[in-house]
Amino acid sequence: GAGVSQSPSNKVTEKGKDVELRCDPISGHTALYWYRQRLGQGLEFLIYFQGNSAPDKSGLPSDRFSAERTGESVSTLTIQRTQQEDSAVYLCASSFRDRPSTEAFFGQGTRLTVV
Amino acid sequence: KNQVEQSPQSLIILEGKNCTLQCNYTVSPFSNLRWYKQDTGRGPVSLTIMTFSENTKSNGRYTATLDADTKQSSLHITASQLSDSASYICVVSAEGKSSGDKLTFGTGTRLAVRP
Repeated sequence: GAGVSQSPSNKVTEKGKDVELRCDPISGHTALYWYRQRLGQGLEFLIYFQGNSAPDKSGLPSDRFSAERTGESVSTLTIQRTQQEDSAVYLCASSFRDRPSTEAFFGQGTRLTVV
Repeated sequence: KNQVEQSPQSLIILEGKNCTLQCNYTVSPFSNLRWYKQDTGRGPVSLTIMTFSENTKSNGRYTATLDADTKQSSLHITASQLSDSASYICVVSAEGKSSGDKLTFGTGTRLAVRP
């Protein structure tokens, strides 16, 4: 596609429910990042995929968070037993190569509200 | 620990005026620094990239500077427009890393341009 696409745009869920967020990276981009952005705060790194290498999960805040990506395609971020503190915008980004100079392109984000 | 600090946290200016946003970082080893613009409800979009050897780079009314010795960068906006209202995020990349935390994000400066 023309850009990074995330779905849904907005998600309201009840506390305790599981949610699944989807990210379609730009075709051919080998690197994919997930970030969380709480209201009025900066981006918080969650997880990073690079090709077929083992993902860097060092940013996941708890074992309720998990993410998958098959090859260089779609990624899903799953949050189990959601809590109100999980309310945030979840941003996905992809880049062409794993090079520091390569620009990361961001999706529009999924706004998650846990009530 | 790699850190990026931005100031001010928020800024209100009148349309047509100039402003300067600051970014200080402690990322090492340094690879490059990007300024991103994030409109409300959208993902960040890259404005400029600065490498170690570059001191100044312009993109239209945006001019970024980099002092690699003092580890400071600034983003100067000239003749501000209402559409400049957004968050401006400083992102620093570390050299030689192949992991998710190679990108360190500042918390952003929220700019509001008033008519």
